[in-house]
Amino acid sequence: DAKTTQPNSMESNEEEPVHLPCNHSTISGTDYIHWYRQLPSQGPEYVIHGLTSNVNNRMASLAIAEDRKSSTLILHRATLRDAAVYYCILRDLTTSGTYKYIFGTGTRLKVLA
Amino acid sequence: EPEVTQTPSHQVTQMGQEVILRCVPISNHLYFYWYRQILGQKVEFLVSFYNNEISEKSEIFDDQFSVERPDGSNFTLKIRSTKLEDSAMYFCASSTRTGTNQPQHFGDGTRLSIL
Repeated sequence: DAKTTQPNSMESNEEEPVHLPCNHSTISGTDYIHWYRQLPSQGPEYVIHGLTSNVNNRMASLAIAEDRKSSTLILHRATLRDAAVYYCILRDLTTSGTYKYIFGTGTRLKVLA
Repeated sequence: EPEVTQTPSHQVTQMGQEVILRCVPISNHLYFYWYRQILGQKVEFLVSFYNNEISEKSEIFDDQFSVERPDGSNFTLKIRSTKLEDSAMYFCASSTRTGTNQPQHFGDGTRLSIL
């Protein structure tokens, strides 16, 4: 089962910031928090990942709580093209030492014009 | 920006037939994965592959499934005798390494329709 919980859906107005929350209360000390999004009819697209400090890239910002039990993906100015399902993922370490993603149901973001 | 490419984008196959889904991972990546997504459901892990062998596979990845890296660029998923319930989107992914901080990069998938 996925180790994260997210709201099923959120709405935002175009050009406004969006804060997408994620809870991961069972996170271990070495788990990175990964965020992906899936646009309609496309594969999951990498957005951002982080460990402890807040992270910024050209797509988004990631704010990580001090206790690391929750995080928030921030889209600074939502556009219609940001409408997608957003997944917050902690990866599972397999018995062979590789990592796999366990996807939850994610948050479906609707952007209103 | 380099990307994972998958072919075909849509494959229609009769039940019981063999199907091969093809992927070209990002060129300097060493770890390869297949996931699937049945319509309206979650993305599910199928298998990971490194150094020409399977690293991990899920319960879904039974004897009907196999993976291969036939040359230096392609990574394939074969289903020997397809069933109706194999209808899904199949996503290939790759990563440079398998550390917890290494993101996997996904292709746009192959839609497999079993008739």
